Amino acid sequence: DGGITQSPKYLFRKEGQNVTLSCEQNLNHDAMYWYRQDPGQGLRLIYYSQIVNDFQKGDIAEGYSVSREKKESFPLTVTSAQKNPTAFYLCASSQGTGFSNQPQHFGDGTRLSIL
Amino acid sequence: AQSVSQHNHHVILSEAASLELGCNYSYGGTVNLFWYVQYPGQHLQLLLKYFSGDPLVKGIKGFEAEFIKSKFSFNLRKPSVQWSDTAEYFCAFSPDTGRRALTFGSGTRLQVQP
Repeated sequence: DGGITQSPKYLFRKEGQNVTLSCEQNLNHDAMYWYRQDPGQGLRLIYYSQIVNDFQKGDIAEGYSVSREKKESFPLTVTSAQKNPTAFYLCASSQGTGFSNQPQHFGDGTRLSIL
Repeated sequence: AQSVSQHNHHVILSEAASLELGCNYSYGGTVNLFWYVQYPGQHLQLLLKYFSGDPLVKGIKGFEAEFIKSKFSFNLRKPSVQWSDTAEYFCAFSPDTGRRALTFGSGTRLQVQP
């Protein structure tokens, strides 16, 4: 079945440590996205990529970094500069680089906690 | 700045009651509108979407939404809810030009009591 795979499901980070969240899709989608979900705040956009080797900052990019070396992969690194990283992280993808009306497909998420 | 307001944070209904969840967006241009649902323990799924044409759109599981451009609203409705509709519902939009990513509302948690 086609879909989005996020790993790990749960992740713990020590203070001062960088961690990388994986997101892989086999939907052949051009665009990929990272959101952060906090209770009562909905989903907020961290980074997005509309094509390989290109990505853009979202609304809350500080303390995060991404890469898009392959079409199917869009890993997110939570750096030590992110002071409040505890959250639920969702990866999504959508078809087409020029079509904003394409719905996004979501992964199951990664829950990151600080030790 | 673009934003989405969902007026109800937590709604509790009995089975067979009618549902209406409010959603207003803030953006001056043409938008594409979505409702997503997150059932307990599952990933976010598309419920319905509006791009153009008939402002009344029908989605899965008997849900519908009406786009009222003059009110910047896209309210979700269902005539008769079921216990299985218990979930969190998110309204979202993307502009037709510029940044193509979604802007989400804060979500409405719906609890349907049997």
